[in-house]
Amino acid sequence: RKEVEQDPGPFNVPEGATVAFNCTYSNSASQSFFWYRQDCRKEPKLLMSVYSSGNEDGRFTAQLNRASQYISLLIRDSKLSDSATYLCVVNSMDSNYQLIWGAGTKLIIKP
Amino acid sequence: DVKVTQSSRYLVKRTGEKVFLECVQDMDHENMFWYRQDPGLGLRLIYFSYDVKMKEKGDIPEGYSVSREKKERFSLILESASTNQTSMYLCASKENTGELFFGEGSRLTVL
Repeated sequence: RKEVEQDPGPFNVPEGATVAFNCTYSNSASQSFFWYRQDCRKEPKLLMSVYSSGNEDGRFTAQLNRASQYISLLIRDSKLSDSATYLCVVNSMDSNYQLIWGAGTKLIIKP
Repeated sequence: DVKVTQSSRYLVKRTGEKVFLECVQDMDHENMFWYRQDPGLGLRLIYFSYDVKMKEKGDIPEGYSVSREKKERFSLILESASTNQTSMYLCASKENTGELFFGEGSRLTVL
């Protein structure tokens, strides 16, 4: 089993819709969680950190479910510009410096 | 704004050639990383450095070496390139908050 798993998609979603996807992680002791966004042929950029209490930034909401060991990302009122690959990241328990990356979920917003 | 600059966006090399990938950051970050990214796989850590002249192996160090002679510069070296090293290489530097800042990537093709 991979340490961090994501549905690769693609998720094809009409503009204005709400979309959500999850990321599961295997190490119950993980403490730090992030969502990064990567546009086609570009570098990843931090979208949100994920806190135990959940957090919201405009149309984006991230939540952590420790009992079931997954994090989620919800995008409301989706825009064409939200089309990207969303990468889930979890800290490694082997090293404070290392992060474990999911392979990403591809999202395509259609007009 | 943090800037991480990778010296080459696209390279084509032949099997057995020595390859240097350079990365420079301008935010005085202590931690720097080299990843490779392949389709269907998450980012995989090759090497990282937490200080000048300090380096640690990541998950896939075989066939690679690194150099960190100055704080702002972290170089990845392929001593003898092989076709299975064809990939996108991403350099990153890290703030104390945990956010990674990436360069634009270097797409290497080994023939």
